[in-house]
Amino acid sequence: EIVLTQSPGTLSLSPGERATVSCRASQSVTSSSFVWYQQKPGQAPRLLIYGASIRATGIPDRFSGSGSGTDFTLTISRLEPEDFAVYHCQYYGALRTFGQGTKVEIK
Amino acid sequence: QVQLQESGPGLVKPSQTLSLICTVSGDSISSGGYYWSWIRQHPGKGLEWLGFIYYSGNTYYNPSLKSRISISLDTSKNQYSLKLSSVVAADTAVYYCARDRGRRVDGYYYGMDVWGPGTTVTVSS
Repeated sequence: EIVLTQSPGTLSLSPGERATVSCRASQSVTSSSFVWYQQKPGQAPRLLIYGASIRATGIPDRFSGSGSGTDFTLTISRLEPEDFAVYHCQYYGALRTFGQGTKVEIK
Repeated sequence: QVQLQESGPGLVKPSQTLSLICTVSGDSISSGGYYWSWIRQHPGKGLEWLGFIYYSGNTYYNPSLKSRISISLDTSKNQYSLKLSSVVAADTAVYYCARDRGRRVDGYYYGMDVWGPGTTVTVSS
């Protein structure tokens, strides 16, 4: 069973700064099966990126994803006030495995 | 526009069965191509995938719950349901239903693109 470990647990940044969230898989996975979600307080998750790097419909281009093998990264180039949220990585497999989430909070 | 909505009791007693329904609008759950999923989130924690049902009726469950979980379809009502038996306090969580697009012919997994707003279930006597 693949385990996804996100880091850091919490990221404290100011609007306009760059955010980098990491997700490490316990074994090599295919990038085509790697997904990121955004979750705001009291809301359901929203699909951000699939295939490790492809933005979902309506997602601004300040969000980007990269990575392969065991290491994947979500980058927000310049944080907007609405980007402060929790970000989850997920891998498609026989099971749908999620990371534990990374909170991006206002510094 | 596809929408999902969870419904069910917000309070369940220990040892009883948790039962939730997800009502789908804007799409037919029997049209094929999607995995109709349940996910939960414990307070302040990450997401936990519980299982899904394919339009054919095939089900896949998280092994950690396999003996307690059941997911079924009601195509006449365009709904699918979750039953979790013998609940304990640790089953207290927000429960979400979501549409999982699965892996497509191009090899990409398109993720869970539509989610319900979630429903809070508390297990307590």
